Amino acid sequence: QKEVEQNSGPLSVPEGAIASLNCTYSDRVSQSFFWYRQYSGKSPELIMSIYSNGDKEDGRFTAQLNKASQYVSLLIRDSQPSDSATYLCAVHPSLSNQGGKLIFGQGTELSVKP
Amino acid sequence: EPEVTQTPSHQVTQMGQEVILRCVPISNHLYFYWYRQILGQKVEFLVSFYNNEISEKSEIFDDQFSVERPDGSNFTLKIRSTKLEDSAMYFCASSPGGASGRNEQFFGPGTRLTVL
Repeated sequence: QKEVEQNSGPLSVPEGAIASLNCTYSDRVSQSFFWYRQYSGKSPELIMSIYSNGDKEDGRFTAQLNKASQYVSLLIRDSQPSDSATYLCAVHPSLSNQGGKLIFGQGTELSVKP
Repeated sequence: EPEVTQTPSHQVTQMGQEVILRCVPISNHLYFYWYRQILGQKVEFLVSFYNNEISEKSEIFDDQFSVERPDGSNFTLKIRSTKLEDSAMYFCASSPGGASGRNEQFFGPGTRLTVL
């Protein structure tokens, strides 16, 4: 059974702090990794994708991937109350980057306190 | 910015009835998907669709489910005889594929299905 694991939280950080969200996955052949943000009652919104080991930065967000450790993380710098949401880690468990299902973790609930 | 759209936003039906959920994927995307999320649970893959046929399906996607691309823009999910446990949010998604080599999947707003 291919699994994606996340701490469910809630993770509470003060406004302006760095929020660190972690995810591990079981399938070593996975090549594509994604972070989605989901506000309550809404659909997942793609915020980051990462395909290679190392860091990828986009604005206040940095995704980090370590395939040897089967670990992917998301850092949110200068956290804002509007960042309060559930963050979903999703993994594409395939050698191909084309099409194919995503396997989602259960999500980490982030709360940013003003 | 192009986006995936879904209709209706909320569907209430009686157990045993057929429902059709509709989606319009992003226009130049090649891969289409249905996922569902039962309240408080993970997002679960149902089916993927490429080149007018199912490319992958999960064990959830049994004979009660079917998908169709009836024209150049719509992508539908049909549940033939709904059960109480089919109550969930159903999300349609699409991804570019092709020469882009990208597998980013963009989700629609969802249809909340309530089976009574």
